[in-house]
Amino acid sequence: EDKVVQSPLSLVVHEGDTVTLNCSYEVTNFRSLLWYKQEKKAPTFLFMLTSSGIEKKSGRLSSILDKKELFSILNITATQTGDSAVYLCAVEGGSGNTPLVFGKGTRLSVIA
Amino acid sequence: DADVTQTPRNRITKTGKRIMLECSQTKGHDRMYWYRQDPGLGLRLIYYSFDVKDINKGEISDGYSVSRQAQAKFSLSLESAIPNQTALYFCATSDFLLAAHTGELFFGEGSRLTVL
Repeated sequence: EDKVVQSPLSLVVHEGDTVTLNCSYEVTNFRSLLWYKQEKKAPTFLFMLTSSGIEKKSGRLSSILDKKELFSILNITATQTGDSAVYLCAVEGGSGNTPLVFGKGTRLSVIA
Repeated sequence: DADVTQTPRNRITKTGKRIMLECSQTKGHDRMYWYRQDPGLGLRLIYYSFDVKDINKGEISDGYSVSRQAQAKFSLSLESAIPNQTALYFCATSDFLLAAHTGELFFGEGSRLTVL
């Protein structure tokens, strides 16, 4: 059974801090790992990673995948209150006809 | 207008009532999904459909049924609602060809269901 474990489940930081969110996985025939940000409504797509060691970056957010150790991290530098959200990690495996499997999410709270 | 539209957005009902949540999309995607979200549990897959004639159970399908009336419409039914089905429900879509490259899902705004 495919499995995605995120840690920590919740985190409180001060504005300006740097945070690292973790996602480990077990999946048959790994295809991709995706990160989503969820504020009050629907999750919004952040990154998709398929290859080890290649960093994806968008502004203050970055992510990298380690396919050997079966994990990914999402880094947020110089956090702002607008970064407060639930961050979801999802993995796609199988043949391309297997739906994404999501972790439980990490709830990040950034306080001023 | 949103590309993936869910109705109703909020619903309060009583135990034993039949409830239908509807999802329609204008993205032209072939694949549609229903997920349930509970606090601290992430997104759990209820049912999914890869085309009009295709229905597949997800992780937590018991107590739910679905209908794919057209490529653009995918509805979720609770035949006899119970309190532990109180949750936030998301419809999502993806495209077969796009999925080969990104796997990305496109979500509706969610339907909050409360069963008393």
